[in-house]
Amino acid sequence: DIQMTQSPSSLSASVGDRVTITCRASQAVSNHLAWFQQKPGKAPKSLIYGASNLQSGVSSRFSGSGSGTDFNFTITSLHPEDFATYYCQQSKSYPLSFGPGTKVDIK
Amino acid sequence: EVQLLESGGALVQPGGSLRVSCAGSGFTFTNYAMNWVRQAPGKGLEWVSTISPSGGTYYTDSVQGRFIISRDTSKNTVYLQMNNLRAEDTAVYYCAKQNYYDGSDYHWGQGTLVTVSS
Repeated sequence: DIQMTQSPSSLSASVGDRVTITCRASQAVSNHLAWFQQKPGKAPKSLIYGASNLQSGVSSRFSGSGSGTDFNFTITSLHPEDFATYYCQQSKSYPLSFGPGTKVDIK
Repeated sequence: EVQLLESGGALVQPGGSLRVSCAGSGFTFTNYAMNWVRQAPGKGLEWVSTISPSGGTYYTDSVQGRFIISRDTSKNTVYLQMNNLRAEDTAVYYCAKQNYYDGSDYHWGQGTLVTVSS
């Protein structure tokens, strides 16, 4: 089974900051990596698929990069509505697996 | 507009059974993979099961042999039959659709709460 880790587990940032989250897979997943955003009490929302592709309708301030085992997710300029928890997920092989999440809150 | 609407969540005793449903609209059901993902209270996301466009089924180890995913294409509905429920199955269950081949076009339902307790 593929294990996913994320760092940091949480971070505090200000509106306008650039934020980067790292996701690492225990074995290579090629580009089969997605990123999701979840706000408290709400369903997750898909942001990125294929490691670097924006889902339709998602703001271009979100971006993803990486391949193999190491991936980055970046918000270029943090907006107030971006304070949330972010998860990565591999879909290279079953069982699919999520990272533990990174909580982004207000500094 | 794509919509996914889960239903069927309830309070169930340990060892009991429950079926949750996810009705989809705004897309052609058999062109997409349908997933069930759960989230225990205060915890992260956990993938539970997937049914592929061709009908192949996949499960996380902790539910293998207890849960069954199925679909009714005439009703655009996917189901998760949950048997021999345990306290650790308590969670919000989300259904989600995605393009099976590249992960694009990913949409989530609003979730349904399953509580396993005596």
